[in-house]
Amino acid sequence: DAKTTQPTSMDCAEGRAANLPCNHSTISGNEYVYWYRQIHSQGPQYIIHGLKNNETNEMASLIITEDRKSSTLILPHATLRDTAVYYCIVRAYGGSQGNLIFGKGTKLSVKP
Amino acid sequence: DGGITQSPKYLFRKEGQNVTLSCEQNLNHDAMYWYRQDPGQGLRLIYYSQIVNDFQKGDIAEGYSVSREKKESFPLTVTSAQKNPTAFYLCASSVSFKLSGAGSYEQYFGPGTRLTVT
Repeated sequence: DAKTTQPTSMDCAEGRAANLPCNHSTISGNEYVYWYRQIHSQGPQYIIHGLKNNETNEMASLIITEDRKSSTLILPHATLRDTAVYYCIVRAYGGSQGNLIFGKGTKLSVKP
Repeated sequence: DGGITQSPKYLFRKEGQNVTLSCEQNLNHDAMYWYRQDPGQGLRLIYYSQIVNDFQKGDIAEGYSVSREKKESFPLTVTSAQKNPTAFYLCASSVSFKLSGAGSYEQYFGPGTRLTVT
């Protein structure tokens, strides 16, 4: 699976959009981009995933560049409850193991 | 409500004792996973199971054992052979990536068990 690079931490003002970048320059054609988040001392929570088109759901939007080498997770109106560690994961379809490889992620702090 | 339950939330043991962590899901998922998380770190895979009565070692299986006798349950035993057992343990489940034929899948995580061994 391709490696991802994320900033260690970011701040965002409450009510503003939080834009979390992820670099995955070695991504392969069959690899999806997943985003999860982990609120302190809880299990990770799935947010969104995509292959090459931009995706939106009730939680967030995922923007993937045309060359697929990077992506941005957008939380349109961040709240204090969005404070968490956000993980960007690249995972191929199928494969032998099925697990997701979680790096250290980006610690997002939403401030009042 | 459908989901994954792990119990207990906090567990304390003396060094040299085996301890079993519970994980139950009612999502009808075939695949289940155990991860370990140390402070400030990402998750590392201990064991995973794609189907009942079958499981595979992950990246850090030494000192751990699992069983998968029922689809709903995937208990993890931390044995005395595990050198640094104190950690946050997370169980997850998903549609089986091999059986579903789906192009992508998401994992559902339990709330975790924080194990402290002294």
